[in-house]
Amino acid sequence: EVQLVESGGGLVQPGGSLKLSCAASGFTLSDFDIHWVRQASGKGLEWVGRIGSEGKSHATEYAASVKGRFAISKDDSQNTAYLQMYSLKTEDTAVYYCARAITTLDYWGQGTLVTVSS
Amino acid sequence: QSVLTQPPSVSAAPGQKVTISCSGSSSNIGSNYVSWYQQLPQTAPKLLIYEESRRPSGIPDRFSGSKSGTSATLGITGLQTGDEADYYCGTWDSSLRAEVFGGGTKVTVL
Repeated sequence: EVQLVESGGGLVQPGGSLKLSCAASGFTLSDFDIHWVRQASGKGLEWVGRIGSEGKSHATEYAASVKGRFAISKDDSQNTAYLQMYSLKTEDTAVYYCARAITTLDYWGQGTLVTVSS
Repeated sequence: QSVLTQPPSVSAAPGQKVTISCSGSSSNIGSNYVSWYQQLPQTAPKLLIYEESRRPSGIPDRFSGSKSGTSATLGITGLQTGDEADYYCGTWDSSLRAEVFGGGTKVTVL
């Protein structure tokens, strides 16, 4: 069974850092892209970024709103992807989901809540 | 302001049909596959339709998708109370180099 489980969310002060994990099971992580998508309370889905499969040399792309502050990485041997977040702002407060993809985001994790507040 | 435009809400009685539109441009819907996601209250999004009209295993054929030019449409027939959810369209935008979503449409069963 395909599963994605996010962890690492929590409360962080503005300007702080946080690293989220996305543990994959039931499939080979190296064969898929992994996307991160966030959703502020009561709002719609906002794409954060993606990291390519091994075949795409793990290339990364980011939304303009997080470029230069967030970094996505992947450890295929551990079947885990990561979202490292720096210089966090209050507007980064959201539930963060990871999802696997080839032509579509076909499986999503349950999400982890990140709250940026003083 | 979302790159893809969806109506904020649609509603219909049980057993009826609803359609949800998703409007984009040549750099997103016009040149890439469209997906639709269902988000039930307090849950993660779930893939409903991919590559415009294909359904993943386990998705009933009451759900259908289509695309014409720079617009896509999700149809739900035989509406059930369990279909009350937010629905999002999504696709890749080749100019922005980003995955883009519509603002979401809330489906209410009257």
